[in-house]
Amino acid sequence: AQSVTQLGSHVSVSEGALVLLRCNYSSSVPPYLFWYVQYPNQGLQLLLKYTSAATLVKGINGFEAEFKKSETSFHLTKPSAHMSDAAEYFCAVKYRDDKIIFGKGTRLHILP
Amino acid sequence: NAGVTQTPKFRVLKTGQSMTLLCAQDMNHEYMYWYRQDPGMGLRLIHYSVGEGTTAKGEVPDGYNVSRLKKQNFLLGLESAAPSQTSVYFCASRRTAQETQYFGPGTRLLVL
Repeated sequence: AQSVTQLGSHVSVSEGALVLLRCNYSSSVPPYLFWYVQYPNQGLQLLLKYTSAATLVKGINGFEAEFKKSETSFHLTKPSAHMSDAAEYFCAVKYRDDKIIFGKGTRLHILP
Repeated sequence: NAGVTQTPKFRVLKTGQSMTLLCAQDMNHEYMYWYRQDPGMGLRLIHYSVGEGTTAKGEVPDGYNVSRLKKQNFLLGLESAAPSQTSVYFCASRRTAQETQYFGPGTRLLVL
């Protein structure tokens, strides 16, 4: 079955610390992969996407993600967290049948 | 260019009532999607459309119907609302050649 797993529904990091949000997908064929961010009471905004080009993808606001086929993972990182990064983050996968499936989300808390 | 708009923004229904949510996009996108967002569940795909006159089921289609009579509009219908359909509903659209989805601001639905 098609699925996206985000490990950790809540993640807390100190301001200035490394941010690591985990995403694993189920697929035998490399899919398209996305990270979206949602601020309170807003819709989703695209952070970055992987579309079979470079495995290390850079996005907006200093975020990046690395596609690892052997691990079926697409983890999101940021070297130094900022208070404005506090939000909910969603990993999503597009499969060949044009469905785009989302993970359950990870809420990122930034500690002062 | 308004992007993706959703009508209404908020609605309260009684159990058994029917209603239609409207999603409109002015970007000439071929693909359109309806998701529901519930706490701890992320976004779950209800139905989607790959073009005018076509629709397909997503992960959680039961209790919902959709129509795509015009390319720019994607309607989500609830024939007989149930409390389990209390949720925030998001519409999204994208081009065929691009994978990025553009999201509307959401519709908050409360079924009593």
